[in-house]
Amino acid sequence: EAQVTQNPRYLITVTGKKLTVTCSQNMNHEYMSWYRQDPGLGLRQIYYSMNVEVTDKGDVPEGYKVSRKEKRNFPLILESPSPNQTSLYFCASSRSYEQYFGPGTRLTVT
Amino acid sequence: KNQVEQSPQSLIILEGKNCTLQCNYTVSPFSNLRWYKQDTGRGPVSLTIMTFSENTKSNGRYTATLDADTKQSSLHITASQLSDSASYICVVNPDGNNRLAFGKGNQVVVIP
Repeated sequence: EAQVTQNPRYLITVTGKKLTVTCSQNMNHEYMSWYRQDPGLGLRQIYYSMNVEVTDKGDVPEGYKVSRKEKRNFPLILESPSPNQTSLYFCASSRSYEQYFGPGTRLTVT
Repeated sequence: KNQVEQSPQSLIILEGKNCTLQCNYTVSPFSNLRWYKQDTGRGPVSLTIMTFSENTKSNGRYTATLDADTKQSSLHITASQLSDSASYICVVNPDGNNRLAFGKGNQVVVIP
């Protein structure tokens, strides 16, 4: 089954403790991206990747890092999480116009 | 200013009734427009994708229209079901390279 998976689905952490949210897709898509979704603000792009070793900033990249060492994986790294990064995070992959979203990771930073 | 505006922000409709959601955009250039359905706490799922040359596209009980001249799109839900309760997000792709402009969504609640 074609899908985008994210782990963990839920995470509660403390300020400053580094964390990684993994994202993997099995559709051999070149393009992957990360979004955060906050009430009243909609989906906002954090980072995207056009292909392996090619990444670029989206609209809200501050406080986040990404890497794309393999085509299928696109982890999101928070080096020093802060409470304003509490949000619902979505990974997505796409080819052409069709974009597939993962199930989401709900992150709470206390 | 948000480049993609959706209205109404939320609405409640009776099961079996029809409804229409609106999306106005100022994004330019324009490559394609998408409508997504997002159930609470889940990832968005694509309903329709329309390019510049397409005026309408259907997916079951969902029908999207596009007027690229006036930069307006609508999503019509026919004979609503309880499972249609969700947020519907309008997304515009300016140049086909996946740097997308998102609307904030129309929250639809279908009641029995």
